[in-house]
Amino acid sequence: AQKVTQAQTEISVVEKEDVTLDCVYETRDTTYYLFWYKQPPSGELVFLIRRNSFDEQNEISGRYSWNFQKSTSSFNFTITASQVVDSAVYFCALRGSSASKIIFGSGTRLSIRP
Amino acid sequence: EAQVTQNPRYLITVTGKKLTVTCSQNMNHEYMSWYRQDPGLGLRQIYYSMNVEVTDKGDVPEGYKVSRKEKRNFPLILESPSPNQTSLYFCASRRTGTPPSNEKLFFGSGTQLSVL
Repeated sequence: AQKVTQAQTEISVVEKEDVTLDCVYETRDTTYYLFWYKQPPSGELVFLIRRNSFDEQNEISGRYSWNFQKSTSSFNFTITASQVVDSAVYFCALRGSSASKIIFGSGTRLSIRP
Repeated sequence: EAQVTQNPRYLITVTGKKLTVTCSQNMNHEYMSWYRQDPGLGLRQIYYSMNVEVTDKGDVPEGYKVSRKEKRNFPLILESPSPNQTSLYFCASRRTGTPPSNEKLFFGSGTQLSVL
């Protein structure tokens, strides 16, 4: 069975602080894909990143960075120097070898206080 | 503009009154899917379709129907809505011919459904 766990239900930090959102996944597939999506207060779902299981290289995009570690089955997301516009619900997701299904975590609500 | 269009954005109905939420994509995507979002549960897949006339159940299909008569449309039908179907619904699509390493789901704006 596949599973995605986002243990942090809500996080609140002050602007300019760094914050890390945790994601732990379970799958028996040897090839799989991990995603992060952002859902701002307006409600739409915005794709942030996709990572393939055979590529453990970490990725940085501006203030955003992702740490993929197969040894701990984790795909954590860090926002550096957070801003109020980063306030959103963030979802981690997993797609295994099946083309039909993407499993989402329960989401982490991030609030950035001015 | 490439997009997935859902309608309506908001819907309030009463128990038992059949309703349809429409979903249309203009990207010629083969794969389409419906999700519901509930607090603390994330997004759960209701139904998906790999192509025209090919549909299958997701994790929470009870009380829902779908059809895929045309590639661009994938309506979600609630034959007899109940209060436990009050939720935020999302339609999504993606191309299947793309290598999985390049996959990306495109989501609609969501439909907030309230069943009284």
